[in-house]
Amino acid sequence: DAGVTQSPTHLIKTRGQHVTLRCSPISGHKSVSWYQQVLGQGPQFIFQYYEKEERGRGNFPDRFSARQFPNYSSELNVNALLLGDSALYLCASSFSAAYGYTFGSGTRLTVV
Amino acid sequence: QQQVKQSPQSLIVQKGGISIINCAYENTAFDYFPWYQQFPGKGPALLIAIRPDVSEKKEGRFTISFNKSAKQFSLHIMDSQPGDSATYFCAAAANSGAGSYQLTFGKGTKLSVIP
Repeated sequence: DAGVTQSPTHLIKTRGQHVTLRCSPISGHKSVSWYQQVLGQGPQFIFQYYEKEERGRGNFPDRFSARQFPNYSSELNVNALLLGDSALYLCASSFSAAYGYTFGSGTRLTVV
Repeated sequence: QQQVKQSPQSLIVQKGGISIINCAYENTAFDYFPWYQQFPGKGPALLIAIRPDVSEKKEGRFTISFNKSAKQFSLHIMDSQPGDSATYFCAAAANSGAGSYQLTFGKGTKLSVIP
């Protein structure tokens, strides 16, 4: 079975630009969460979606937004990119909104 | 505010030795404590997890010890192998309302197992 799929794997953006990251959860998984992992740190929670509804939001500015589609895939959008947004963005999926999350390999975003 | 404190930051262990990583938490609402292993260029992979009603859980060479009163938990890797060389993260989760379970991660421990 395919795991959590994220695209693109890497991208480079310029300050002020907008970026969209995509995530396809494991088949049958209805919950998707997004995490930001800065180099040398643990992942930090950004959003959780379950059955297309936002169930949680971490301490991130309004420049960050997300949504979940009817097929349970998800997008993370970041507007007005800052250098500090450079990080590995991880998507995790789970069958329920509870535990047992499986992470994808992430999207490495570099803002220059 | 860091809610999960992890130590040590890095660890070097000889092949066949025991690797021990410790974590402490503050939020007594946490009720799920997983450990993740992360290799370079990969996402974290769930190794083993425990709930606070159990003091120890073992899966193969990996054991979690949990001390609820001290609000501490640790990962023991027995018979450590070079293939175990990776970064390990402890995490904790609680229901933050509306059915949301956010993982709060420690800062990670880089384990190097030398032959």
